[in-house]
Amino acid sequence: EADIYQTPRYLVIGTGKKITLECSQTMGHDKMYWYQQDPGMELHLIHYSYGVNSTEKGDLSSESTVSRIRTEHFPLTLESARPSHTSQYLCASSQTGLKRKLFFGSGTQLSVL
Amino acid sequence: AQTVTQSQPEMSVQEAETVTLSCTYDTSESDYYLFWYKQPPSRQMILVIRQEAYKQQNATENRFSVNFQKAAKSFSLKISDSQLGDAAMYFCAYSPMNRDDKIIFGKGTRLHILP
Repeated sequence: EADIYQTPRYLVIGTGKKITLECSQTMGHDKMYWYQQDPGMELHLIHYSYGVNSTEKGDLSSESTVSRIRTEHFPLTLESARPSHTSQYLCASSQTGLKRKLFFGSGTQLSVL
Repeated sequence: AQTVTQSQPEMSVQEAETVTLSCTYDTSESDYYLFWYKQPPSRQMILVIRQEAYKQQNATENRFSVNFQKAAKSFSLKISDSQLGDAAMYFCAYSPMNRDDKIIFGKGTRLHILP
């Protein structure tokens, strides 16, 4: 149903590596979000974007960075991964006028060794 | 601070029975949205139902309905005629009307459906 895609689905990587988590949506939504979710815990917003060239940090501090050069694409980058970055990362999108309905990707489970 | 609390980490219900998931929230805002999202195992999270705080009528979507008590800041989800496909994590969420970047989630309730 939802046309929002995240890759990779799972990623196991060593400490110090640079990683990029991909997120793309084909719905033309203006808003995009990155959430971090630990097992048994609530989702925490780490980044959001209102549109092209607009990015803001969320409530949860994160060492990751994001970019929004195209409407459909919202990648998240970690320059130097650490074990504390191990978590599930969920990408979501919404459209102004849809009353905050979020469309989620399947998530990326990141494990940093 | 705005918070969302789900006091039931796990629940079980017999197939075809009815189950109610609880959610309370704290806010000083008068206009906001409330949501229930469903996250099936290894699948995408999807919106189940949404309530606008200014509407007194409880939202319904087929077998899913809510009991919205604004004064008590309570927002429970009732699932009728439970089906095996309803097994999932359910997250309650809150968003103030004037901040579309702010959607606060509870910790979730894992719902098991017993055949």
